[in-house]
Amino acid sequence: GAGVSQSPSNKVTEKGKDVELRCDPISGHTALYWYRQRLGQGLEFLIYFQGNSAPDKSGLPSDRFSAERTGESVSTLTIQRTQQEDSAVYLCASSIHGERGDTQYFGPGTRLTVL
Amino acid sequence: AQKVTQAQTEISVVEKEDVTLDCVYETRDTTYYLFWYKQPPSGELVFLIRRNSFDEQNEISGRYSWNFQKSTSSFNFTITASQVVDSAVYFCALTPLGGGFKTIFGAGTRLFVKA
Repeated sequence: GAGVSQSPSNKVTEKGKDVELRCDPISGHTALYWYRQRLGQGLEFLIYFQGNSAPDKSGLPSDRFSAERTGESVSTLTIQRTQQEDSAVYLCASSIHGERGDTQYFGPGTRLTVL
Repeated sequence: AQKVTQAQTEISVVEKEDVTLDCVYETRDTTYYLFWYKQPPSGELVFLIRRNSFDEQNEISGRYSWNFQKSTSSFNFTITASQVVDSAVYFCALTPLGGGFKTIFGAGTRLFVKA
């Protein structure tokens, strides 16, 4: 695949339900990032994965948020007991080495709406 | 504090006008990276440029140019002879070397280019 892909593109859920968002990074990219973008705002860093190293979870806003990644492949971001304030676009990015100056390539995002 | 400020929330210009998007950053680190991304209406962020803190040379790429000034902690972006296709939200971002793997994004500047 040419770029980062994310699914679903849109997700509408009811408050209190759990949701899983998926990200497929660019093949060969070792690093993967999740961001949240609230309407009309900039991106908030959530979590970073680099190979088999321990992830940098410093941006996760609460323990309702978690993410997994197996090796250098697909990642899932899970939000448990969703709240209305979780409504946002969730963006995934990957970079080839995961070094701090690396360019990140972004997917199209998943638009999450919590009713 | 690590912060990126894009003071211009929205800018509206007429096609063929030049426009400058401002970006001011704050970081304690002496080594850091600065980025500009474009987010067109389709939503997918597109990488435009990366600059490291040791390289203060200005850069020109077609109609785009960037002015990096460490003395004023600014990394401004100019579009010459703007076109309707330039209409998008533009984000400035900072990755400080000592900030873990967080990339800090500004709130974005929405540019409208009218025909």
